[in-house]
Amino acid sequence: AQSVTQLDSQVPVFEEAPVELRCNYSSSVSVYLFWYVQYPNQGLQLLLKYLSGSTLVKGINGFEAEFNKSQTSFHLRKPSVHISDTAEYFCAAMSGGSNYKLTFGKGTLLTVNP
Amino acid sequence: DAGITQSPRHKVTETGTPVTLRCHQTENHRYMYWYRQDPGHGLRLIHYSYGVKDTDKGEVSDGYSVSRSKTEDFLLTLESATSSQTSVYFCAISVGAGVGAFFGQGTRLTVV
Repeated sequence: AQSVTQLDSQVPVFEEAPVELRCNYSSSVSVYLFWYVQYPNQGLQLLLKYLSGSTLVKGINGFEAEFNKSQTSFHLRKPSVHISDTAEYFCAAMSGGSNYKLTFGKGTLLTVNP
Repeated sequence: DAGITQSPRHKVTETGTPVTLRCHQTENHRYMYWYRQDPGHGLRLIHYSYGVKDTDKGEVSDGYSVSRSKTEDFLLTLESATSSQTSVYFCAISVGAGVGAFFGQGTRLTVV
């Protein structure tokens, strides 16, 4: 079964600093990877996704992620964060033939301080 | 928001009572899911459906049942609520691997 590990439960950073949120997934023949963001008291919003092709994917709000097959990683990055980026971020994986079920990591709370 | 509506949005219930949460979609998508979100656990799949009357269990299905008699509605039932089922419940739909899933706004359930 697919598993997803988010290596940091909390990441505090200062405004305008760069940030990396780490995600590792269990190896699979075909896997699709996603990052979702959840602002307080809201549902989940898709940030970006990797399906195939270029290993660097760009998403909304200036976020990007890099797929690394050899390291089974899909880390999320932003070169300069804003206060408004404070939220919980979830990495998720979908395996081929799984009825499109998503397996989520436990989440990383990003707190951007002034 | 992909036309997903969850009801109720908030509910407080007593231990041992039955509870039904409703997920309604307006787009006629085939795949629907129920997840629960708990601190330190992320989102975990409870049950999912791949068509009318076609459902299957997820990783945390004990104590829950589901029904889907119409494409647009997916119901989650707690037959006898327990305090361990206090959680935020999210409904989601999927339109395929290339898109991922769209989520409802969630239902906060408290079992006292």
